[in-house]
Amino acid sequence: DGGITQSPKYLFRKEGQNVTLSCEQNLNHDAMYWYRQDPGQGLRLIYYSQIVNDFQKGDIAEGYSVSREKKESFPLTVTSAQKNPTAFYLCASSMAAINQPQHFGDGTRLSIL
Amino acid sequence: SQQGEEDPQALSIQEGENATMNCSYKTSINNLQWYRQNSGRGLVHLILIRSNEREKHSGRLRVTLDTSKKSSSLLITASRAADTASYFCATEIKAAGNKLTFGGGTRVLVKP
Repeated sequence: DGGITQSPKYLFRKEGQNVTLSCEQNLNHDAMYWYRQDPGQGLRLIYYSQIVNDFQKGDIAEGYSVSREKKESFPLTVTSAQKNPTAFYLCASSMAAINQPQHFGDGTRLSIL
Repeated sequence: SQQGEEDPQALSIQEGENATMNCSYKTSINNLQWYRQNSGRGLVHLILIRSNEREKHSGRLRVTLDTSKKSSSLLITASRAADTASYFCATEIKAAGNKLTFGGGTRVLVKP
């Protein structure tokens, strides 16, 4: 079955540590997205990519980095510069065109040790 | 403030009743989308309504769009306990490509 897989489901970060969240899709989608969700809130866009080897900052990119070396994969690194990383992180993908729905993974919950 | 804002923030109803939630936005859009999120899970796409459409149906879901008022509504008819979730509207803004801007969501509790 086609879908998006995020791993790990839970992740703990120590002070000063970088951590990487994995996102893999087999939907053959060109566009991929990373969102952050704080408790009781909506989603905010961190980074997005419309095509391999290209990505753009979203609304809250500071303290995060991404890469897009393969169509199927869009990993997100939460760096030590992100001072408040505790949140629920969601990855999504879609066809790279307007009027297309986004398909979401089941998220990674990141907490600080 | 956010592009999309939902109202109410929370809703509690009995099984079998209808649930209505609203979304307002500020700028011109290509489309407006509704998603459902069960607790601790990812979002599931429900309906996409384009800017030139006024109403769409999918099963027990009915979505309306009024571009003159920059607002949309989602109606869930004959609600079930399994409809308990958070519901989010998201707008695809013209000139912003296919990025979505999400509202804060409506938390719906359907009591058996």
